[in-house]
Amino acid sequence: GIQVEQSPPDLILQEGANSTLRCNFSDSVNNLQWFHQNPWGQLINLFYIPSGTKQNGRLSATTVATERYSLLYISSSQTTDSGVYFCAAHSSGSARQLTFGSGTQLTVLP
Amino acid sequence: DGGITQSPKYLFRKEGQNVTLSCEQNLNHDAMYWYRQDPGQGLRLIYYSQIVNDFQKGDIAEGYSVSREKKESFPLTVTSAQKNPTAFYLCASSIWGENQPQHFGDGTRLSIL
Repeated sequence: GIQVEQSPPDLILQEGANSTLRCNFSDSVNNLQWFHQNPWGQLINLFYIPSGTKQNGRLSATTVATERYSLLYISSSQTTDSGVYFCAAHSSGSARQLTFGSGTQLTVLP
Repeated sequence: DGGITQSPKYLFRKEGQNVTLSCEQNLNHDAMYWYRQDPGQGLRLIYYSQIVNDFQKGDIAEGYSVSREKKESFPLTVTSAQKNPTAFYLCASSIWGENQPQHFGDGTRLSIL
């Protein structure tokens, strides 16, 4: 199966700073999702992005499928952005299962 | 509102007991999935179902069982054969097909007494 790697594993920011989270995948994928897991464990869909760039408020994501990576940008970070950010790739096989990376733990300090 | 409901939020199990986690969706999705999350790690697929009365093993199916008698429901049973059941369990659903995003419930935390 495909491998999904995220970096950095941990990130600590001061409120108002910008950040970039990276997701590399080992093989061709049909699609890619970014999630935010809040401190209560809820997994919130951020982006569903097979290629190109999407923006939603202070967050944006870019996937370059031919080079097998995706980036999540967080601008003007807020304390409520804290949590774990996961990327997950849809395999191109028949199972259509999501393979998750191990996440980036983001802490935004006031 | 449409969504995925998991219950209970917290569950405690004694050694040797089977327990069943509930997952219900009203999104009219064909496909449903169960994932397990251990502390500091990503999610791993236990079982998935693309249609009623059909389900397939994921990466870590040993010690778990599922059923899919109704489109809306996909319960997961953690059996006594699962030696390390303490984890956070997440259920998801999607339209079955290429490039369909998965939507998640709020999870159930299972602990061993």
